[in-house]
Order: sequence, then C-alpha cells, then structure tokens
Amino acid sequence: DADVTQTPRNRITKTGKRIMLECSQTKGHDRMYWYRQDPGLGLRLIYYSFDVKDINKGEISDGYSVSRQAQAKFSLSLESAIPNQTALYFCATSTGTGGWMNTEAFFGQGTRLTVV
Amino acid sequence: AQKITQTQPGMFVQEKEAVTLDCTYDTSDPSYGLFWYKQPSSGEMIFLIYQGSYDQQNATEGRYSLNFQKARKSANLVISASQLGDSAMYFCAMRENNAGNMLTFGGGTRLMVKP
Repeated sequence: DADVTQTPRNRITKTGKRIMLECSQTKGHDRMYWYRQDPGLGLRLIYYSFDVKDINKGEISDGYSVSRQAQAKFSLSLESAIPNQTALYFCATSTGTGGWMNTEAFFGQGTRLTVV
Repeated sequence: AQKITQTQPGMFVQEKEAVTLDCTYDTSDPSYGLFWYKQPSSGEMIFLIYQGSYDQQNATEGRYSLNFQKARKSANLVISASQLGDSAMYFCAMRENNAGNMLTFGGGTRLMVKP
C-alpha cells in the first residue's frame, strides 16, 4: 500500500458542485500539504497544515477549503467547482521533527479533477 | 518574482548521453534546501536528490548529480548516461528555513530521451 493515498484518483464533476478530495498517510508525519499542478506552472501550494489544529493558506487558496480530521487525514474541498479548477491535485506529507530541512516531501499518486 | 525558475520547457537527449536540466532560485534566507523530483507519465512524484545550502560538496545519487553554484543561485540537475526511462517531467523545488516546511516548485522541464 502507498504511504500517501489520495481518493479519488480521477473525478469529473459539473460546474457549481461541491467536491471533496481525500488524503490519508501512514508515514506518521505531522505536516501535510495540498498542491495543484497545471502545465507550465509546476506545483502550487493551496493549503498546508503543521498539525491537527494548524491550518494555513498557501499561494492559491481562493475557492478551496481544507479539513485536518486527524494527523493522518487531510481533505481538500472545492465548495463550488469551476472549470479553471481543472488540474492534477497532489497531497504531500513531510516530517517536522529533527532533520526536517533536508527531508523530502512524500507525495500521493495525484487526483486528476475535471470540472465541466 | 519567481522563487524557482526552470528555463527549459522541453529538452531532447540521445540515449546514453549526459544532460543538464537548469534551475535557478531566489532567496535571501541563508538556510535552504534544494530538491529535484521526477514525474513520469504515470503522474507520481519521485524524489531524486537534495542539496543543502551549507553543503560543501555537490550532491550525487547514482546517475544523478546536482551542480550547485551558490553564488549564481543555480542548482542544475545532471543525468549521466541517459536511459529511455528517464523521459519524464523534472521539477526543481526549494525549502527555506524561515518559510516553514513547504516546498516551492519551478515550472518543470520535460525531458525526452531519444533511442
């Protein structure tokens, strides 16, 4: 099983619908992130959480919300989906303890979301 | 201003040859780390190599090496002896000590290895 699991892997939804993307991890990391990937723009940070009670906006949080239900679970919601939210979404985790600066982030397999 | 710039949207390399993927970064934080990830067509993000700002030597991991030029703020990835399986998107990313734990990514370079 993957250390960082995203569900669903693919989703097509209609404009105006609410949709939730889920992420769970078995790495035991305290820090979790949601990124979106668009061609030519790389990965951009939507939200991040350093622990269950800590939620922070990233570079492009408008139109999104998140919930950290437990240390291992971090979900991303699109309250009212619009076509320009069509993208590949990644959840990632990393450790916040000793040596965190040089430790890579671990990514889920990605969720390909299409808003029509 | 862009924190991470990858100026090569796409590149070709002949199989078995070496290739350099460019990455420049912008930070005033003296403590930072630079990462390279590979994204094959299947979509997953695979960590390749890390370089810390205080590291005296260039990082190496198998066929991957990082050409770190601190004064020029560049962290180019060198892949030696390219293989067909190296065809993928490659992303450079930075983590700054004073900006928390998140990674900031460049726009990526698509590498295509020709047989």
